[in-house]
Amino acid sequence: AQSVAQPEDQVNVAEGNPLTVKCTYSVSGNPYLFWYVQYPNRGLQFLLKYITGDNLVKGSYGFEAEFNKSQTSFHLKKPSALVSDSALYFCAVRLLMEYGNKLVFGAGTILRVKS
Amino acid sequence: EAGVAQSPRYKIIEKRQSVAFWCNPISGHATLYWYQQILGQGPKLLIQFQNNGVVDDSQLPKDRFSAERLKGVDSTLKIQPAKLEDSAVYLCASSLGGSNSPLHFGNGTRLTVT
Repeated sequence: AQSVAQPEDQVNVAEGNPLTVKCTYSVSGNPYLFWYVQYPNRGLQFLLKYITGDNLVKGSYGFEAEFNKSQTSFHLKKPSALVSDSALYFCAVRLLMEYGNKLVFGAGTILRVKS
Repeated sequence: EAGVAQSPRYKIIEKRQSVAFWCNPISGHATLYWYQQILGQGPKLLIQFQNNGVVDDSQLPKDRFSAERLKGVDSTLKIQPAKLEDSAVYLCASSLGGSNSPLHFGNGTRLTVT
């Protein structure tokens, strides 16, 4: 089945340290990949996307993600974590359907940044 | 631009009761989605509209859930009768509709069924 997987339920990192939130995908054809963030009691906010081109994609709030076709991964990264980055992060893949497309989400990873 | 509006923010009902959620998408967005987010899980697509037509309702429990999008703008999602397992956050999202267009989400409605 076409899907994304987030292997870590939670990631803990100290403020100022680099962070990585992992995502792997299983999709036939070229994947369209997205990262979203969810703060408590809020909807999901778009961070960044990979469609084609450069494997390193830059997004909002200093986040970036690296597309790796050989490892079928799309890990989210940030060079220096902030306490305010603490939230729930979702990786998603867009599946092409007969009618158009639909977005399928991973289970999410809780990021905790401690000061 | 104004974001996706949803109401109510919270709802508590007893099992077997009915409930309705409302969503107003971003102006000009042709595609509207309803997702169910159960605690500890990623959002699951319930139904997707393109303008006022349904294009995907494969995961909608049609014996109890229904949704409509009149005039291709606002949408309502209804549950009748509710079950305990329907307790979740119901997220509405909209997009321009292209394959690389990001989804814009509302803040969701948190439903508790007791």
